[in-house]
Amino acid sequence: GENVEQHPSTLSVQEGDSAVIKCTYSDSASNYFPWYKQELGKRPQLIIDIRSNVGEKKDQRIAVTLNKTAKHFSLHITETQPEDSAVYFCAASIKGAAGNKLTFGGGTRVLVKP
Amino acid sequence: EAGVAQSPRYKIIEKRQSVAFWCNPISGHATLYWYQQILGQGPKLLIQFQNNGVVDDSQLPKDRFSAERLKGVDSTLKIQPAKLEDSAVYLCASSPRGRVNEKLFFGSGTQLSVL
Repeated sequence: GENVEQHPSTLSVQEGDSAVIKCTYSDSASNYFPWYKQELGKRPQLIIDIRSNVGEKKDQRIAVTLNKTAKHFSLHITETQPEDSAVYFCAASIKGAAGNKLTFGGGTRVLVKP
Repeated sequence: EAGVAQSPRYKIIEKRQSVAFWCNPISGHATLYWYQQILGQGPKLLIQFQNNGVVDDSQLPKDRFSAERLKGVDSTLKIQPAKLEDSAVYLCASSPRGRVNEKLFFGSGTQLSVL
């Protein structure tokens, strides 16, 4: 099955700096890559996603890039703010015989220091 | 719109006891998921329903876990008997049709502690 690796597991940045989280996936048939943000004690929420036919997508301070050949994708947060502190999960989705299956990475705990 | 509802919010049981979790998805969502999130890890899919049928339960420990979605709406997840390693947050999520690029809407989860 699909395996998603995420790095780093923790990331500490100074407010205003950029944060980058990287993920790799194993199944070349995966074609959808969402990112979820989970604040402490709260539910995961989708913040951005990218499809396999797109190389880059941006939404204000957040951007995601995808390299299908290398099977890796990254989340970039610019001008970080304290409210960006959370755990971020990447995921890869594949359509299989049993339906669509979303596999999550292990998560990155981001701490933005004021 | 109302979100995904889960109960209870917390549950503490002793090993070998039974426990059940309840989920009510967003109205009209055909697809319902149960995820297990162990502390410090990403959510792991346990079972996926499309309406009231099971689409994927390949990672569900069927000797102790069971789930049902009667009438294609609410769902319950049961563990019997519980083991220490079952301590985790159990997240329910739903999506409109279960397509590849659909956003998942998560509930707040049930935090289970097995002592």
